[in-house]
Amino acid sequence: KAGVTQTPRYLIKTRGQQVTLSCSPISGHRSVSWYQQTPGQGLQFLFEYFSETQRNKGNFPGRFSGRQFSNSRSEMNVSTLELGDSALYLCASSSPRSGRATPNEQYFGPGTRLTVT
Amino acid sequence: DQQVKQNSPSLSVQEGRISILNCDYTNSMFDYFLWYKKYPAEGPTFLISISSIKDKNEDGRFTVFLNKSAKHLSLHIVPSQPGDSAVYFCAASALSNFGNEKLTFGTGTRLTIIP
Repeated sequence: KAGVTQTPRYLIKTRGQQVTLSCSPISGHRSVSWYQQTPGQGLQFLFEYFSETQRNKGNFPGRFSGRQFSNSRSEMNVSTLELGDSALYLCASSSPRSGRATPNEQYFGPGTRLTVT
Repeated sequence: DQQVKQNSPSLSVQEGRISILNCDYTNSMFDYFLWYKKYPAEGPTFLISISSIKDKNEDGRFTVFLNKSAKHLSLHIVPSQPGDSAVYFCAASALSNFGNEKLTFGTGTRLTIIP
């Protein structure tokens, strides 16, 4: 089974621009979550989509948005980029829960390294 | 407000010895805990998890211990091997909310195994 794929792997943008990152989950996985990883901050949750609906949202400004398509692929968009947006953006997918005791194991892609100059 | 804390940013352990990574949490709603391992230029990979109804879970060389009263968990790796050198993230979720796939991560501990 193919893993989570993210494109592009590396991206350099300038302040004020906008960027769109893409994530293709593992086949059959309907939940896609996005995280931002910066040095010293660990992984910060951005948002989670399930069946094309945003189900959870982290504490990020409205410049960060996302969407999910009917095939479960997801995109995240960052508008008006700032230097502080430079980070590794990780996407994770998980299979639908079958019950309360189902482990919440998320499978991560390799990430997109965004550099804002 | 860091709800999941890994207070040791780095740890060095001799090959063959035990590695102990620690994690503390503050949110009493968390009822499921996971450890992820991350190599450079790769996404985190799931290692082991534990439900709050247990106090220990073992998988090969990896054992996770949970102390609910202290809101503390630890990952034991024994014996440690060079391939274990990576950044380890502790994560927590609240299974009580159906459909809540949000994981709250710690800041990570960089483990270096010395040959």
